[in-house]
Amino acid sequence: AQSVAQPEDQVNVAEGNPLTVKCTYSVSGNPYLFWYVQYPNRGLQFLLKYITGDNLVKGSYGFEAEFNKSQTSFHLKKPSALVSDSALYFCAVRDKVGNRDDKIIFGKGTRLHILP
Amino acid sequence: GAVVSQHPSWVICKSGTSVKIECRSLDFQATTMFWYRQFPKQSLMLMATSNEGSKATYEQGVEKDKFLINHASLTLSTLTVTSAHPEDSSFYICSATHPRGPYEQYFGPGTRLTVT
Repeated sequence: AQSVAQPEDQVNVAEGNPLTVKCTYSVSGNPYLFWYVQYPNRGLQFLLKYITGDNLVKGSYGFEAEFNKSQTSFHLKKPSALVSDSALYFCAVRDKVGNRDDKIIFGKGTRLHILP
Repeated sequence: GAVVSQHPSWVICKSGTSVKIECRSLDFQATTMFWYRQFPKQSLMLMATSNEGSKATYEQGVEKDKFLINHASLTLSTLTVTSAHPEDSSFYICSATHPRGPYEQYFGPGTRLTVT
């Protein structure tokens, strides 16, 4: 089965500094990877996805992620953090078995705190 | 475009009663909808995959008789929590697959259920 791991429960970054939220994956076949963000008591918002193509994927709100096949990683990055980036971030992977519908499997989430 | 709504946004009910949660795709037709459950400070757990006009596919460990899912149309799926108990209190989130592609899932804002 496909899975993703987010090794950090929480990441603290000073405003204006670059941020990285880590994610590693375990898949059979080609990975379809995603990043979502969740603000308090809200649903999830899609940030970006990697399906194929360039290893550096650009997404919403200035975020980007780098797909690294050799390290099986898909870390989320932003060059300069904003206080408004503080939220819960989920890495996710597409899972499909046989003819079943695609479903998304989420990591446990990483809480990002941007310190003013 | 690609907006998913949920109703109600929060609900309080007494033990033993049933609660229905609606998930609607407002500006697109969704052949597949998903229901997730999220406990405080935890990740999203997929409960079931809902297809229009057919029975839902439940994940292992999810009681299908307790969590009734109906996908009546291409824009509406409902989750009914039957004979609710306090341990059913949780944040329930739905998502819908956009026709653009199976990787394009859009999430509702969630429903906070509290069973007293």
